[in-house]
Amino acid sequence: KQEVTQIPAALSVPEGENLVLNCSFTDSAIYNLQWFRQDPGKGLTSLLLIQSSQREQTSGRLNASLDKSSGRSTLYIAASQPGDSATYLCAVSPSYSGAGSYQLTFGKGTKLSVIP
Amino acid sequence: GAGVSQSPSNKVTEKGKDVELRCDPISGHTALYWYRQSLGQGLEFLIYFQGNSAPDKSGLPSDRFSAERTGGSVSTLTIQRTQQEDSAVYLCASSLAPRGPGNTIYFGEGSWLTVV
Repeated sequence: KQEVTQIPAALSVPEGENLVLNCSFTDSAIYNLQWFRQDPGKGLTSLLLIQSSQREQTSGRLNASLDKSSGRSTLYIAASQPGDSATYLCAVSPSYSGAGSYQLTFGKGTKLSVIP
Repeated sequence: GAGVSQSPSNKVTEKGKDVELRCDPISGHTALYWYRQSLGQGLEFLIYFQGNSAPDKSGLPSDRFSAERTGGSVSTLTIQRTQQEDSAVYLCASSLAPRGPGNTIYFGEGSWLTVV
């Protein structure tokens, strides 16, 4: 059974700092990995999606990398801002087809606080 | 609409009552998913629809839970005889397709259910 772990559970940084959020998964047979952001009381917003054949994706100040063989992904946030404060979740989808193939397995998230 | 729309946004119900939660996916999205997020827990997959059919119901926690989708669009999640452990945020999501280009998943803001 796939397990996704995110460390740390919470992170507090001063504004302007670059930071890295970590995600690890136990089964490397994934189809893709997505990073999401969740603001308090809100749903999830997709930030970046990395297909299993890709190594990284970039969007603005965000860069996500994927090392499928080692079961790791990182989300790099450059020049952090108070508006980046949120919970960041990673999720993987399995590579097989059939029952269960469309289920995302989520980590429990990293709660980020960027201090002005 | 521009995004995934869910209603009600908040629902307080008495133990033993039935509730219906509605999801209106992004127009043209054939894939629709329901997830549950309990306090302190990660997101838990409930059910996946492709068009009007549900090839994967494996996440429904008991036979008190059911879901349908009509016209390849709106979906309803029904919980019968609600229990206090059903209290959670129920998140709906949709994507153009479950695999391949366009499989980025977009979430609604959730229906917050409290059973008292």
